[in-house]
Amino acid sequence: SQKIEQNSEALNIQEGKTATLTCNYTNYSPAYLQWYRQDPGRGPVFLLLIRENEKEKRKERLKVTFDTTLKQSLFHITASQPADSATYLCAHMNRDDKIIFGKGTRLHILP
Amino acid sequence: GAGVSQSPSNKVTEKGKDVELRCDPISGHTALYWYRQSLGQGLEFLIYFQGNSAPDKSGLPSDRFSAERTGGSVSTLTIQRTQQEDSAVYLCASTQGGPSSNQPQHFGDGTRLSIL
Repeated sequence: SQKIEQNSEALNIQEGKTATLTCNYTNYSPAYLQWYRQDPGRGPVFLLLIRENEKEKRKERLKVTFDTTLKQSLFHITASQPADSATYLCAHMNRDDKIIFGKGTRLHILP
Repeated sequence: GAGVSQSPSNKVTEKGKDVELRCDPISGHTALYWYRQSLGQGLEFLIYFQGNSAPDKSGLPSDRFSAERTGGSVSTLTIQRTQQEDSAVYLCASTQGGPSSNQPQHFGDGTRLSIL
């Protein structure tokens, strides 16, 4: 079955450092991957989309990479701030046109 | 409105009762999605609508779950004879195009459903 996996362990990063989150997918080659941020009690908020023919996408302090050989996307937050603390979700559309989300990685930026 | 609106934000009900959850998508968005999120779990796809039609109902957990969308706008998710395992946050999202359009999903803040 088509799976999308994120590190379920919480990630603690010191303020000012770069946080890197991983999203791996199996049994399918998606045309794109999306990254979302979710705060407690709120719905996910879209951050970035990267297509399979794009190696890297940037938006302010955010950077996403897409390695179709490794079947992996990395999400980076540079100069991290406590306000970046949240759960980050990756998602893609599978071959049945269904959007599949990972379980998310909780990120804690320590002041 | 400016964003996706869901109501109620919280619902507590007794096992065996029926519940109806409402989603008001962003105006003009043709596609609407329902997800379920249990504690510590990812988003579980339930159903999506393109206009008023639901091309994919495969995610509905059982025949106690149903959904409809009228006028290409508001959608309701109905759970009949609720069970305790139905307790979760039910999230709705909308997009301008369907899943193949690569459009980002705009989510509401969900309905937190608790079955006693």
